[in-house]
Amino acid sequence: DADVTQTPRNRITKTGKRIMLECSQTKGHDRMYWYRQDPGLGLRLIYYSFDVKDINKGEISDGYSVSRQAQAKFSLSLESAIPNQTALYFCATSLGGGGNSGANVLTFGAGSRLTVL
Amino acid sequence: DQQVKQNSPSLSVQEGRISILNCDYTNSMFDYFLWYKKYPAEGPTFLISISSIKDKNEDGRFTVFLNKSAKHLSLHIVPSQPGDSAVYFCAASAMDTGRRALTFGSGTRLQVQP
Repeated sequence: DADVTQTPRNRITKTGKRIMLECSQTKGHDRMYWYRQDPGLGLRLIYYSFDVKDINKGEISDGYSVSRQAQAKFSLSLESAIPNQTALYFCATSLGGGGNSGANVLTFGAGSRLTVL
Repeated sequence: DQQVKQNSPSLSVQEGRISILNCDYTNSMFDYFLWYKKYPAEGPTFLISISSIKDKNEDGRFTVFLNKSAKHLSLHIVPSQPGDSAVYFCAASAMDTGRRALTFGSGTRLQVQP
């Protein structure tokens, strides 16, 4: 089984619908992240969580919300999906620890492709 | 404003030759840099990293060079192999990030021709 599992892998929905993308990990990492990939824009950070009680906005958090249900689970919600939220979404984890170290290396899931019509 | 820039969207090289992927950054607080490789339908995977206290880090066929004064890093792949064909992302992190995560560039698609 993958260390970081994302569900669903693919989803097509309509404008205005509520969508939840789920992420679970077996790495035992405290830190979890949601990124979005768009062509020509690379990976942009939506939200991140450094532990169960810690949630932080990233650079593009508008229109999204998250829930850290447990150390191993971090879900991303789109309360009312719009077409420009069509993208590939990645969940990632890291050991953490600050400073310049390997603890900052992210392990990514395989991605969730979301299409909003 | 993008703090990490990969100005070449794509690069094509012949098998056996050197591939050089470039990355520029603007934030002088970045002190840890990483390269990730991404195949289609998969998540990015960590390739190699370098701390700002070094100017070179090597791992097999992959070498990353850091020029702090120019705020520039590059990834060299020698020799290039067809299996290296992928999208490569440069990423950077600030010291004692505390509340911050990695900042990624837009990626460079490498095609290694057999």
